[in-house]
Amino acid sequence: DAGITQSPRHKVTETGTPVTLRCHQTENHRYMYWYRQDPGHGLRLIHYSYGVKDTDKGEVSDGYSVSRSKTEDFLLTLESATSSQTSVYFCAILADPSYNEQFFGPGTRLTVL
Amino acid sequence: GIQVEQSPPDLILQEGANSTLRCNFSDSVNNLQWFHQNPWGQLINLFYIPSGTKQNGRLSATTVATERYSLLYISSSQTTDSGVYFCAVVRASNDYKLSFGAGTTVTVRA
Repeated sequence: DAGITQSPRHKVTETGTPVTLRCHQTENHRYMYWYRQDPGHGLRLIHYSYGVKDTDKGEVSDGYSVSRSKTEDFLLTLESATSSQTSVYFCAILADPSYNEQFFGPGTRLTVL
Repeated sequence: GIQVEQSPPDLILQEGANSTLRCNFSDSVNNLQWFHQNPWGQLINLFYIPSGTKQNGRLSATTVATERYSLLYISSSQTTDSGVYFCAVVRASNDYKLSFGAGTTVTVRA
């Protein structure tokens, strides 16, 4: 257990509403990631963070923003949710940069109607 | 970006059978991980294996980095082995960002 929690675990929302997902870790890891999982695509990187206030885009970042104001929390925001953002969202941490192994949280299932 | 291809896409096994899952990747990597996603959606780390061979119980994995592939072996399969198996890699110059394959869905029947 890498001490990663995600909230909420399930959410149903309507098109056009803002949504924020939270990833919380308890072990002071520097690197944190947001991925989305869709059928046929595996997981795809949305955004990642390499420190407080240091973030960068992944391969599917359009329509998403992130913030990291403290080490333990990494927030993913959908400013105006669309049906194409219905997905399962996973947060991950890099436990040890010299060993390069990522561990994943339990996921958040988001449905946009 | 780097391409990661997994085969086969689906696999149905009888309990007790052995199987091999394959992961091909298109560029040099400095990280390769195998994950098992169980029927509840949880992603479980199986192996961190950028090169060489590792074993963990009935599971083993081999990565031949120079030939850009990795194999995951499941021996004496059990119904609890059902789920989706993902291979994911970090390209050698890519700042710890994982690229995933589409996965192999394994169904083990009693």
